[in-house]
Amino acid sequence: GEDVEQSLFLSVREGDSSVINCTYTDSSSTYLYWYKQEPGAGLQLLTYIFSNMDMKQDQRLTVLLNKKDKHLSLRIADTQTGDSAIYFCAEVSYNQGGKLIFGQGTELSVKP
Amino acid sequence: SQTIHQWPATLVQPVGSPLSLECTVEGTSNPNLYWYRQAAGRGLQLLFYSVGIGQISSEVPQNLSASRPQDRQFILSSKKLLLSDSGFYLCAWSPTGAGREQYFGPGTRLTVT
Repeated sequence: GEDVEQSLFLSVREGDSSVINCTYTDSSSTYLYWYKQEPGAGLQLLTYIFSNMDMKQDQRLTVLLNKKDKHLSLRIADTQTGDSAIYFCAEVSYNQGGKLIFGQGTELSVKP
Repeated sequence: SQTIHQWPATLVQPVGSPLSLECTVEGTSNPNLYWYRQAAGRGLQLLFYSVGIGQISSEVPQNLSASRPQDRQFILSSKKLLLSDSGFYLCAWSPTGAGREQYFGPGTRLTVT
């Protein structure tokens, strides 16, 4: 079945770049999403990329997509302490009626 | 703009008591609606989704049920809570159509004692 995998933890220093990686399985997924969850809050849609794109940049966020390897990454430039959160990637599963399949989330810790 | 509300924000209930969590969406029509549970770990478990009034699909057999009495209202219920029902419950909506982006509410923290 469909599965989305992410590493569980990432620690960086303030001002460095963070790269959060994700692998997915559904090659027919038309969109891939990144969400951010701060403690005790719901998930916030950060950005998404359409499957015919290789890269999307939105201010400090850069999404890279490698369809051949089914690999997605989120790069956060100039990481700030306010970026500390859990980041989820999600693929669309058309085998399951177009539902989103979420990874387990990567907890980003930014140290001053 | 669209907003999604959930209440209550936190709830402590004894085992065996009933449950009703409510979710409402403003600023859109005929949204797809979703209930997720996020347990002590990170993973999001899809519990129910709805593509229209009175149309509910259950993803996992649960001690829970869902209803959609109005276009932008989604309710999660239980007749008798179990300890294992504790968790963080998230409601989400998406525009009509498959695979669209989902927008999440602030969540309800449920503790069953």
